[in-house]
Amino acid sequence: EAGVAQSPRYKIIEKRQSVAFWCNPISGHATLYWYQQILGQGPKLLIQFQNNGVVDDSQLPKDRFSAERLKGVDSTLKIQPAKLEDSAVYLCASSSSRARGEKLFFGSGTQLSVL
Amino acid sequence: AQSVTQLDSHVSVSEGTPVLLRCNYSSSYSPSLFWYVQHPNKGLQLLLKYTSAATLVKGINGFEAEFKKSETSFHLTKPSAHMSDAAEYFCVVSTRTGGGNKLTFGTGTQLKVEL
Repeated sequence: EAGVAQSPRYKIIEKRQSVAFWCNPISGHATLYWYQQILGQGPKLLIQFQNNGVVDDSQLPKDRFSAERLKGVDSTLKIQPAKLEDSAVYLCASSSSRARGEKLFFGSGTQLSVL
Repeated sequence: AQSVTQLDSHVSVSEGTPVLLRCNYSSSYSPSLFWYVQHPNKGLQLLLKYTSAATLVKGINGFEAEFKKSETSFHLTKPSAHMSDAAEYFCVVSTRTGGGNKLTFGTGTQLKVEL
């Protein structure tokens, strides 16, 4: 079974530039998550999709971050404009349902450095 | 609000000796709790989960954890450490939000295994 795919693996940009990350979840997984993991901290949920609808984006900085999941499969996360504090690893995860206790499968992440 | 506290940011053990990674939780109702492991440059992987069934939970690679309601703890243990266990470990609590399943991660414990 193929895992969660993310690209690019690394990205270096200057502040105020824009950047986009892509995620392809495990086939058939209806629930998709984007997490931000700052160095030395645990991952923090940015946004959760159920199929192509948003179920939780309460911690997404909507003035600069946006995400979409067209057709309920792939997803993209965009930052525009980037700030220094956005330097982090961005993790995508998927699960077969949104039930409490459901196992999440994580991708390897995109490491973003904002200079 | 539900949360988890990992009591040690770094733990160092010798190969072949027991491992203990400590986690305390805060929850207004019976929680779902997890331990995830993150090896360098790899995605987060589920070690084990507790969802109100048996209080002693066995996971992969010889790890287990015991849910103790009286102590609000969910410590991770392994009888004998192996070099391949060196990684970062996250204690996680699951919250049912308005339609979603939100995972809240602890700050992580870096496990070092020495010869």
